[in-house]
Amino acid sequence: GEDVEQSLFLSVREGDSSVINCTYTDSSSTYLYWYKQEPGAGLQLLTYIFSNMDMKQDQRLTVLLNKKDKHLSLRIADTQTGDSAIYFCAEGGGGADGLTFGKGTHLIIQP
Amino acid sequence: DSGVTQTPKHLITATGQRVTLRCSPRSGDLSVYWYQQSLDQGLQFLIQYYNGEERAKGNILERFSAQQFPDLHSELNLSSLELGDSALYFCASSPSGYNEQFFGPGTRLTVL
Repeated sequence: GEDVEQSLFLSVREGDSSVINCTYTDSSSTYLYWYKQEPGAGLQLLTYIFSNMDMKQDQRLTVLLNKKDKHLSLRIADTQTGDSAIYFCAEGGGGADGLTFGKGTHLIIQP
Repeated sequence: DSGVTQTPKHLITATGQRVTLRCSPRSGDLSVYWYQQSLDQGLQFLIQYYNGEERAKGNILERFSAQQFPDLHSELNLSSLELGDSALYFCASSPSGYNEQFFGPGTRLTVL
């Protein structure tokens, strides 16, 4: 079945760049998403990339997609304390279906 | 604020009971999705409705059911509750069912 894998924790210093990685197995994935979840809150859609794109940039966020290796990454430039959260990678087939989520990466910011 | 609302925010009940969770999608969105988030299973897709009709099913138990009403709000019914049903239940909506999904704040269900 479909599977999305992420490392559980990432620790970075404030002001550095954070790179969160994700791998997925479903080669028919049409859209790949990054969501952010802060403690006690719902999931906030950060950005998404269509499967025929290699890169998408949105202010401090850069998404890179390597479709051959089924690898997705989210880079957050100039990481701030407000970026501390759980980041979920998700894939969707673009059809009538729910998203398949990874277990989430806890981003920890060191002062 | 995503524009998706869910009620109640918290729900505490006992094993064997039945509860109903409610979701109002963003204005104009026709599709509603339900997800369950638990520590051991992570985020799991349960079911999707589009304009009142069931469109896709995920890992939804037979004890659970959902519906979407003509005003497009949706309800998730959970019956014969077990301790393991304790989780966060999220609703999400999208314009047509083929777009990015916007999540509500969730309902935290605790089964004692």
